[in-house]
Parts: sequence; structure tokens; C-alpha cells
Amino acid sequence: DAGVTQSPTHLIKTRGQQVTLRCSPKSGHDTVSWYQQALGQGPQFIFQYYEEEERQRGNFPDRFSGHQFPNYSSELNVNALLLGDSALYLCASAQTGSGWTNEKLFFGSGTQLSVL
Amino acid sequence: DAKTTQPPSMDCAEGRAANLPCNHSTISGNEYVYWYRQIHSQGPQYIIHGLKNNETNEMASLIITEDRKSSTLILPHATLRDTAVYYCIGSPLNAGGTSYGKLTFGQGTILTVHP
Repeated sequence: DAGVTQSPTHLIKTRGQQVTLRCSPKSGHDTVSWYQQALGQGPQFIFQYYEEEERQRGNFPDRFSGHQFPNYSSELNVNALLLGDSALYLCASAQTGSGWTNEKLFFGSGTQLSVL
Repeated sequence: DAKTTQPPSMDCAEGRAANLPCNHSTISGNEYVYWYRQIHSQGPQYIIHGLKNNETNEMASLIITEDRKSSTLILPHATLRDTAVYYCIGSPLNAGGTSYGKLTFGQGTILTVHP
């Protein structure tokens, strides 16, 4: 059973460009959350998607947007990249419904984004 | 989510118990204490969680003080593969409704297990 998969694993972009990161949730999972992890810091919640809608959002500007597809996979888009957007971007998935609890959040290994 | 405080780093000898402390003095009655860890180049991994009773699973034990203001994660026989950043998080157990998938991470404790 494949876990949470993210692509690409590494990416280099130039300031001002746009980037799209992709995430496939663990089999059977239907909600996806995205996190940003700067070097030496803990992951910071960006937003969460469920039923193809953004349900929660952290303290991130509108340059960060996302999408969830009918097969539950998700994309994170960042426009007008800044140097400060350089970070590890993590995707986490979970299965909603009765009995879902916070310990059943599964993370991918992330996409390392470098903005030059 | 409750604010948690952890020491920035700790060392442990291989085979010995690793005891990682966490302060969460502002934790509310419905918030559980979760522990996740992040091994280098990987995403965070769930370890254990608890409300007010001590908990044990195949990975670790969790000791929560009676006033719930602090807790200790215990890895009974640390191995080199336990070297990681350990995060203590206070959060409701059941996110409820559509509030799934949001955890508030701090900076965690870097645990280094030495041979």
C-alpha cells in the first residue's frame, strides 16, 4: 500500500515565477492538508482540502492556492515566488468519517522548493 | 491549539531510555497531547497521544502529569534510528466537522542517539 506520494521531490525556481506541487493521498484517504516547513522550523499549516473545497486556511497569503481533484489528489500552487518561499512543502492525508482522529494524519516526504 | 514548550535538543546513549519533556500549561480540557517525530528527509510520523492517563504502544510510552500541564515521552530502548526531531502538540482529538488535518507544530526537540 503506497503511502502519501509527492512530486517533484526537488524543484528550483526563480523569484517571480509560479510553481505547482502535487500530492497523492494514501489509499482510502479523502482529505489532504499542506504544510510549509522552513529550515530549522516545525511545519506550518497552509490549508486543508476536503470534497474538493478548501476547508481551513492558515496564515498564508492568497499567492498560495490549491485544488483537490475527484480522485482526492491535490495540487499546491504558489504564484509570484519570493525568496522566503524556499522551504520543504509537506502534504498530509487522512480518512474522514466516523472515528477519524488527529493521530491518523499521514505525511509524505515533501517537495524541497528553492527560490533563487 | 495549546502552546507547548520543549527543550531544543537532547542526547541519549543507544540502548538507554530517552525521556523527552514537554510543557503545555495552557492546555484545555478537550485537548489531547500528541507526539510526532520527523526523521531527516522524511515527513512527520505519529508516535502516541493521550488525554490524562498514561499511554503505551509499540513505539513509546506517554506520561502525563495529573494537572496535565506537562508530559514526558519515553522511548524505552533508544536506537540510532530514533535520532529525529520530536514534536509535542496539544490539539483536540476529534477535529470535528471539516476541521481535519490541522496540527500546530512548534520547533520540537532534536534527539540525538549516540552509539
